[in-house]
Parts: sequence; C-alpha cells; structure tokens
Amino acid sequence: AQSVTQPDIHITVSEGASLELRCNYSYGATPYLFWYVQSPGQGLQLLLKYFSGDTLVQGIKGFEAEFKRSQSSFNLRKPSVHWSDAAEYFCAVAMYSSASKIIFGSGTRLSIRP
Amino acid sequence: DTAVSQTPKYLVTQMGNDKSIKCEQNLGHDTMYWYKQDSKKFLKIMFSYNNKELIINETVPNRFSPKSPDKAHLNLHINSLELGDSAVYFCASSQGPTSGTYNEQFFGPGTRLTVL
Repeated sequence: AQSVTQPDIHITVSEGASLELRCNYSYGATPYLFWYVQSPGQGLQLLLKYFSGDTLVQGIKGFEAEFKRSQSSFNLRKPSVHWSDAAEYFCAVAMYSSASKIIFGSGTRLSIRP
Repeated sequence: DTAVSQTPKYLVTQMGNDKSIKCEQNLGHDTMYWYKQDSKKFLKIMFSYNNKELIINETVPNRFSPKSPDKAHLNLHINSLELGDSAVYFCASSQGPTSGTYNEQFFGPGTRLTVL
C-alpha cells in the first residue's frame, strides 16, 4: 500500500534561514506528489504539485520541491523563511488511477525563531 | 465569497448524541470530500462524492453517513457519537474526473468536534 513518511515532527528555523522539509513515499510507480500547508485554525492550501516532467517544481510563497525517483523523496525547500511561514506542512501522494484519493503524511510543524 | 464553507466551526456534544456538519462550495465543482484530522494532525480521507454519487468510502463506521443533496453541498451526519470521534473534520471540493488526472482540492476551514 502506498504511504508517505515525514520524518521530522517539528522543525525550528531562524527567520531568514533556509528550510528543507523531508518527505519520502512508498509506491510502486511514480504517484502524484503534493505539498500542502495548514496555518493555525485554517484549512489546507496547496503549495505545489508534481505529476511528471521537470523534477524541480516551483510553488506559491517562494517554495519549491524536488522529486528524486532514486530516493523516493519529494523534499520541500525555501531559501529564506519568513515568520508567516510558521505552519503545519503536509506531504501527500495520490495514485494515477484514483487521483482524487490523497494520502497524507503525518505533517511537520514549522516554527520560526525571530 | 468563501469558496468552501463549513458549519459549525466548533461543535461540542455529549457521547451518544447525533450531530451533523454541513459543507457548501460555490466553486461550481462536482466532487466533494470529507476528511478527518485527529489529535496528532493525521489527515485521512473518509468519503468522496462526484455528482452526488458516492465514489470513495474508506473504512469508516456506518455511524457516519454523508449526504449530498446537490453538487454544491455535502453534509456529514454522525450517529451515536463516541469519544474517538473527537477530531477536526475538513470538507474539500474539486472539479472534474477522479482518475487519470488530478484537479486541485480546495479545503474548507474545518469543524472541530469535541465529544464529552
């Protein structure tokens, strides 16, 4: 069965520092891959997605993610974080045959140090 | 001009009660979803409706019954509430076919259900 692993439960970075959130997936083929952000008390917002093609995808709010097939990873990056980036980040996958059924990782909480 | 709205935002109730959560979307989408987010932030799909037809039904107790009166609404009714039902329930909607292509899901703000 497909699964998504986010090994970091909580990460704290200083404002202006770079960020990388890790995500690994388990699936027989290349699934659709996503990163969502959930701000406190809010619903989820799609940051970016990967289906095929260029393995480096750009998203909203200055985020990017890189798909590495050999490592089954889809890590999220941002070169310089802002205090407003503090939120919960979810990596997710969906199968081609059932693209609307999204499987979410357990989330990584990002805190920003002033 | 909220895209996906849910009511109520908070719901506190006693064990054994029956309650409903409502979801409405004004995006013109034809597919709607219910997700459950537990206390550890784990988010899992429960149901999905496409054009008022149930297309995803995960292993959810039959105390949970979704109802879609039209494409813009998907309500969630829960019978005989249990302590373990306490969670945040998210509604979402998307447009288009459900296999072979992905159409972005837009999420509502969530309903925090607390069962005492």
